[in-house]
Amino acid sequence: GESVGLHLPTLSVQEGDNSIINCAYSNSASDYFIWYKQESGKGPQFIIDIRSNMDKRQGQRVTVLLNKTVKHLSLQIAATQPGDSAVYFCAERGDQAGTALIFGKGTTLSVSS
Amino acid sequence: DAGITQSPRHKVTETGTPVTLRCHQTENHRYMYWYRQDPGHGLRLIHYSYGVKDTDKGEVSDGYSVSRSKTEDFLLTLESATSSQTSVYFCAIGATNSNEQFFGPGTRLTVL
Repeated sequence: GESVGLHLPTLSVQEGDNSIINCAYSNSASDYFIWYKQESGKGPQFIIDIRSNMDKRQGQRVTVLLNKTVKHLSLQIAATQPGDSAVYFCAERGDQAGTALIFGKGTTLSVSS
Repeated sequence: DAGITQSPRHKVTETGTPVTLRCHQTENHRYMYWYRQDPGHGLRLIHYSYGVKDTDKGEVSDGYSVSRSKTEDFLLTLESATSSQTSVYFCAIGATNSNEQFFGPGTRLTVL
């Protein structure tokens, strides 16, 4: 079964709003978590990652939060833009490099202007 | 797409025919992966490789085989395609000293 999943299959926001995409995982032994963005007709693209020894990591307009107590991962996108419209996947992995990722089912983010 | 190409990009075939999908990388990365993507399932691992001639099964490996005779190429073969193998197939690569996986553009396969 799925080790990683997302709470909502779709999320609609207005341009300029902040977006929060959530993900729950079940494997407490996972060491590494990643968010991917997938635009229509393209492969997934890396956004940001976080290791299990961290609670928060910030990138450009994106922040990933990890709550290991409740096994919850979230992606926050600041000042959402139409170009952010895509499907967002969370993924998890064990602690060894090269180990395959386990993906959640994805959340479709729609940004209206 | 980080030096990854997949061929063909689109293919329509009939049930029972053999199909081979190719993934080619120019990054000299050690790890290569094949995933399939279906509505409602996200991406699921089919097979992966951790070096030349070193491969292992993933979550949904039944009906698929792989080969990696050189670092840059990872082939996925459907010996006898079935309609349930209609999907979008993604190849990914990963370096030894990196946690990141880079994905190719995908191959859309339709089995009639």
